[in-house]
Amino acid sequence: DTGVSQDPRHKITKRGQNVTFRCDPISEHNRLYWYRQTLGQGPEFLTYFQNEAQLEKSRLLSDRFSAERPKGSFSTLEIQRTEQGDSAMYLCASSLGLAADTQYFGPGTRLTVL
Amino acid sequence: AQTVTQSQPEMSVQEAETVTLSCTYDTSESDYYLFWYKQPPSRQMILVIRQEAYKQQNATENRFSVNFQKAAKSFSLKISDSQLGDAAMYFCAYRRIMNRDDKIIFGKGTRLHILP
Repeated sequence: DTGVSQDPRHKITKRGQNVTFRCDPISEHNRLYWYRQTLGQGPEFLTYFQNEAQLEKSRLLSDRFSAERPKGSFSTLEIQRTEQGDSAMYLCASSLGLAADTQYFGPGTRLTVL
Repeated sequence: AQTVTQSQPEMSVQEAETVTLSCTYDTSESDYYLFWYKQPPSRQMILVIRQEAYKQQNATENRFSVNFQKAAKSFSLKISDSQLGDAAMYFCAYRRIMNRDDKIIFGKGTRLHILP
């Protein structure tokens, strides 16, 4: 069990650029979640997948955000036309997918939009 | 909508002493889960303890215990024999019991300092 991994750990980009983050869940975990954490706040839910199906999306996930989990393993989160307000820590978590399973979090990707 | 409130942005405790972090929440549901997560500086978030609302007995994990007051919608975390490694942000969190509604709702966190 290597834990949830995220890549890159840090990303600096200019406003208007597109960025993509990757998350690798714990193997055999069926559910994968994305959260966003801004400075001084707790994480906020963005979306989650059950295998390859995206089951819920937050209203925080604007049209510029898209998440995929094509083969039910790793997931990507893309932000198009980044804005300074997108600067945050993007956290990924995974769980087995049974009721009330613990969500295990990755180290996060810190995005800075200049 | 469910909300989680942590009214203490920061707290400090002397090493080996006991500290209690406060949390209140709001929900109209009768069954749900409550959690405390720990986020050390520059490290990933880990689950400290969880409580099922249908259980009257307060959860305990080694030096960590909770005081769950369902009627008051209060869920505090007590850390006994505080250690330097306990220094972190602590988040109180809520999750509905429905399997399909799987998101966790977090409070804003309490930063805990351990004084040597």
